[in-house]
Amino acid sequence: AQKITQTQPGMFVQEKEAVTLDCTYDTSDQSYGLFWYKQPSSGEMIFLIYQGSYDEQNATEGRYSLNFQKARKSANLVISASQLGDSAMYFCAMREFSGGYNKLIFGAGTRLAVHP
Amino acid sequence: DTAVSQTPKYLVTQMGNDKSIKCEQNLGHDTMYWYKQDSKKFLKIMFSYNNKELIINETVPNRFSPKSPDKAHLNLHINSLELGDSAVYFCASSQDYLGGSEAFFGQGTRLTVV
Repeated sequence: AQKITQTQPGMFVQEKEAVTLDCTYDTSDQSYGLFWYKQPSSGEMIFLIYQGSYDEQNATEGRYSLNFQKARKSANLVISASQLGDSAMYFCAMREFSGGYNKLIFGAGTRLAVHP
Repeated sequence: DTAVSQTPKYLVTQMGNDKSIKCEQNLGHDTMYWYKQDSKKFLKIMFSYNNKELIINETVPNRFSPKSPDKAHLNLHINSLELGDSAVYFCASSQDYLGGSEAFFGQGTRLTVV
């Protein structure tokens, strides 16, 4: 069963506008973590933002914020004031506790294109 | 200074060959991982090591053998390469395997088996 679901294979946004990338997750753990990573065309994976399940405030890092809705099991990434350099693949990931250890599992990703 | 570095960045080889990918991290992290990213960009964990000890071994063919000579290095050796092994392989590290620390990724190794 899919643990992390990103329903938008591709999104586009106009430069300087805000965009929301969707992520829903499935877990029965009480303690878990949610992450967003960016993968530009050059291929590297860049950590953007983290939200712990017990964090009451939504995480923010510069232009990135995480809209965490625990009851709905969603952790959407909001990018404000989009820039051309934001064009990339974006992956939502969850820390899953399995077999006594944690591991990061990833969604299928959303390709974001920022248009001038 | 590169935090997690992998070599080589590109690897083209023939079916049946044996190849290795090396990974080193200078972050002082205890845990290192190998992930595979397929042609559809899907990322899946393969292995995880904590302080040189294997702690996660997903359902990976035993042609893939990770080796961790010390906690700063995690190499991936692949025997008898097959066409389906073509993918991008990412090494990553994190502070620990229990907490919420993010994983830092290397730049990836694009393996092409012909």
